[in-house]
Amino acid sequence: ETGVTQSPTHLIKTRGQQVTLRCSSQSGHNTVSWYQQALGQGPQFIFQYYREEENGRGNFPPRFSGLQFPNYSSELNVNALELDDSALYLCASSLSVTGRGRTEAFFGQGTRLTVV
Amino acid sequence: AQTVTQSQPEMSVQEAETVTLSCTYDTSESDYYLFWYKQPPSRQMILVIRQEAYKQQNATENRFSVNFQKAAKSFSLKISDSQLGDAAMYFCAYRSVAANTGNQFYFGTGTSLTVIP
Repeated sequence: ETGVTQSPTHLIKTRGQQVTLRCSSQSGHNTVSWYQQALGQGPQFIFQYYREEENGRGNFPPRFSGLQFPNYSSELNVNALELDDSALYLCASSLSVTGRGRTEAFFGQGTRLTVV
Repeated sequence: AQTVTQSQPEMSVQEAETVTLSCTYDTSESDYYLFWYKQPPSRQMILVIRQEAYKQQNATENRFSVNFQKAAKSFSLKISDSQLGDAAMYFCAYRSVAANTGNQFYFGTGTSLTVIP
């Protein structure tokens, strides 16, 4: 167990709906990253939050958005769901400091989203 | 942009034997981290081993070791004395050291490892 928890574990939504996924980061970690893992693929970086601000984004449209709260937990919101959004969504938490002193990233168990 | 390639979609190994998983990557950076992660059916990514590019010595963690060839941009994982619990999907991953990239990982497409009793 890594101390990173995600909810819910499974979710079924209809095309066009909106969804919110949640991630509770490991105690003491100030950075949360979100990844989308399609079936049979490696995880793809969506975005990252550091001290409540987005500070990095992958090649995902604006309908993918997020938040990070003062306790460093995070949400991933996806609007106007499409069938291709069906995937495993992983969050990873870590402690970011200046220079090379960045801790390991610990991953949650993921949320399996199915869009029908 | 950095890319990570795993050319072996599936591998199998007899229990107690040794297996090597391959990974190549492309980057213009001189300093970075490389990782191997294991993803069992439980879906949680588990760190297996980490290599810092500026260190010439290959990383080792118990039965797991890497062969890091920086010039060739190759990073293979060797699992010795394979156990049934090693069966999982294995992902090779790259992470920049640059401060403005945070913890963004670039993952390969994975290698599914089967361990035969």
